[in-house]
Amino acid sequence: SQQGEEDPQALSIQEGENATMNCSYKTSINNLQWYRQNSGRGLVHLILIRSNEREKHSGRLRVTLDTSKKSSSLLITASRAADTASYFCATVYFNTGANSKLTFGKGITLSVRP
Amino acid sequence: DGGITQSPKYLFRKEGQNVTLSCEQNLNHDAMYWYRQDPGQGLRLIYYSQIVNDFQKGDIAEGYSVSREKKESFPLTVTSAQKNPTAFYLCASTSLAGSSGANVLTFGAGSRLTVL
Repeated sequence: SQQGEEDPQALSIQEGENATMNCSYKTSINNLQWYRQNSGRGLVHLILIRSNEREKHSGRLRVTLDTSKKSSSLLITASRAADTASYFCATVYFNTGANSKLTFGKGITLSVRP
Repeated sequence: DGGITQSPKYLFRKEGQNVTLSCEQNLNHDAMYWYRQDPGQGLRLIYYSQIVNDFQKGDIAEGYSVSREKKESFPLTVTSAQKNPTAFYLCASTSLAGSSGANVLTFGAGSRLTVL
């Protein structure tokens, strides 16, 4: 199945630093979303960017989308220990004759050291 | 509070047994989904349903079955035909009305199934 691929697989930074995570995908999309998952818990939606948008902000989060390169990045500024989690990108594309559905990447494990 | 409730949180099963994972939502969402998550893997779609009494296979439906008799409920049965059922199972839902295809998912807390 079509899948977003995140990069890097794991990231370790010091508290206060910025964290940048990347996602690449394969086909044309309707929108791209980022989710967060704390260990052993469900995913929580962070931010959505539509295919006709290039950048969105939400608090300390900044997402960019480059449809020509089929890639997105998630920037977390001024990271905190509480940001330690796994982050997933999910793409929404339209199946022929069916409603859209999400396809998730494998995730990035972010560790923020106090 | 509105949300999705999955139960049980932990479940142990002997080989050859069927087990059913519960998923209930009070968000009045139209669509519901079941995902499977394995260590180091992303989420893989098992089944989804966009309307009562109708559901579609996802990418890894073999060995699983679902029903959607009520809008609020979407139980998943892991059958003995599933060869490697030990995993973390996530249920999610979304509203399709006026979403313009956005499909932002709300997830439950997950159910961890271990086959002994």
